[in-house]
Amino acid sequence: KQEVTQIPAALSVPEGENLVLNCSFTDSAIYNLQWFRQDPGKGLTSLLLIQSSQREQTSGRLNASLDKSSGRSTLYIAASQPGDSATYLCAVRLTDSWGKFQFGAGTQVVVTP
Amino acid sequence: GAVVSQHPSWVICKSGTSVKIECRSLDFQATTMFWYRQFPKQSLMLMATSNEGSKATYEQGVEKDKFLINHASLTLSTLTVTSAHPEDSSFYICSARTSGPSTDTQYFGPGTRLTVL
Repeated sequence: KQEVTQIPAALSVPEGENLVLNCSFTDSAIYNLQWFRQDPGKGLTSLLLIQSSQREQTSGRLNASLDKSSGRSTLYIAASQPGDSATYLCAVRLTDSWGKFQFGAGTQVVVTP
Repeated sequence: GAVVSQHPSWVICKSGTSVKIECRSLDFQATTMFWYRQFPKQSLMLMATSNEGSKATYEQGVEKDKFLINHASLTLSTLTVTSAHPEDSSFYICSARTSGPSTDTQYFGPGTRLTVL
């Protein structure tokens, strides 16, 4: 069974520092991997989606890498801002015919001014 | 971009009553819809997968008689929490999948917060 782990569970950094969030998964047979942001009490905002054949995706200050063979993905957020404070979820889409997602527990990020 | 809506966005009900949550794909037809549950400070856990016109497939440990799922059309799936109890209080999120010759994408709804008193 696919398991997704996110480390660290929580992270606090001063404004301007770069953020590094880690995600690992146990089964390399994935369809894609997606990073989401979730604000308290809110739904999911998709940040980056990496297809299984890709190594990385970039959007603005965000960059996500994928290493399927080692079962790892890393989300980098450059020059963090207080508005980046949120919980970041990593989700692996399985290769089953349904298209199910397996989510990690998330990393709660606080960026202090 | 594609949008998935959920209604209501929040609901408070008394213990023992039933609550229905709707999930709609607004500008596309969803071949498959998924229902997730998220307890405070925890991640999303898949509850069930539903395809239009057929019975839902439930994940292990999810009571199908308690969480009734109806996928009546390609744009609407409903989750009914029957005889709700305080332990059913949670954040319920749906997602809708659209697939075709050159696309296979899922979109997540904004979630419904259920509080059972």
